[in-house]
Amino acid sequence: IAGITQAPTSQILAAGRRMTLRCTQDMRHNAMYWYRQDLGLGLRLIHYSNTAGTTGKGEVPDGYSVSRANTDDFPLTLASAVPSQTSVYFCASSDGGKPNSPLHFGNGTRLTVT
Amino acid sequence: GEDVEQSLFLSVREGDSSVINCTYTDSSSTYLYWYKQEPGAGLQLLTYIFSNMDMKQDQRLTVLLNKKDKHLSLRIADTQTGDSAIYFCASAGANNLFFGTGTRLTVIP
Repeated sequence: IAGITQAPTSQILAAGRRMTLRCTQDMRHNAMYWYRQDLGLGLRLIHYSNTAGTTGKGEVPDGYSVSRANTDDFPLTLASAVPSQTSVYFCASSDGGKPNSPLHFGNGTRLTVT
Repeated sequence: GEDVEQSLFLSVREGDSSVINCTYTDSSSTYLYWYKQEPGAGLQLLTYIFSNMDMKQDQRLTVLLNKKDKHLSLRIADTQTGDSAIYFCASAGANNLFFGTGTRLTVIP
């Protein structure tokens, strides 16, 4: 593992199903983030965590939940998927949890909700 | 939240200079970033500029910041086919980076 690993790479999911997107980093970064990327909208923050044990809501948190049990892992859960959650999801981390610390991104999870 | 705007598309010929523009609304932004996204990959940090700077140069990349007009630009000199990608500007908020929509740069051989 080098950097940020996201799994799965892609997934097709039936509406109403529950899904957890996994994210693991090996850089010991304090802060971690989940973004969704949609054409014409750029990246929008879903949830973030400044340090293990804490989480916060971003711009578009509804329908998503996160947990941060340890420094390395930051899973994103869709409790009951809807088609509007079709998107590419990126996990990111930064050192120090400050906005002037560059973000390091995973390669993304492409999710299609049918 | 902050609004960060970019044009969606830019095409240039190989060897020419590319200029990608970005405007933002939050005058208190301390750092502004440029990220590059290649197909099927996450975003990679290209460069950043602190708000008290007007210009930053890094090899083929030049970042210009007009803080009065809240305008940021990225100039790529001698653009190569490998520069074809989506470029995002981002403005630092309290707990978030606000990203623009991204500009898809296409380099024509």
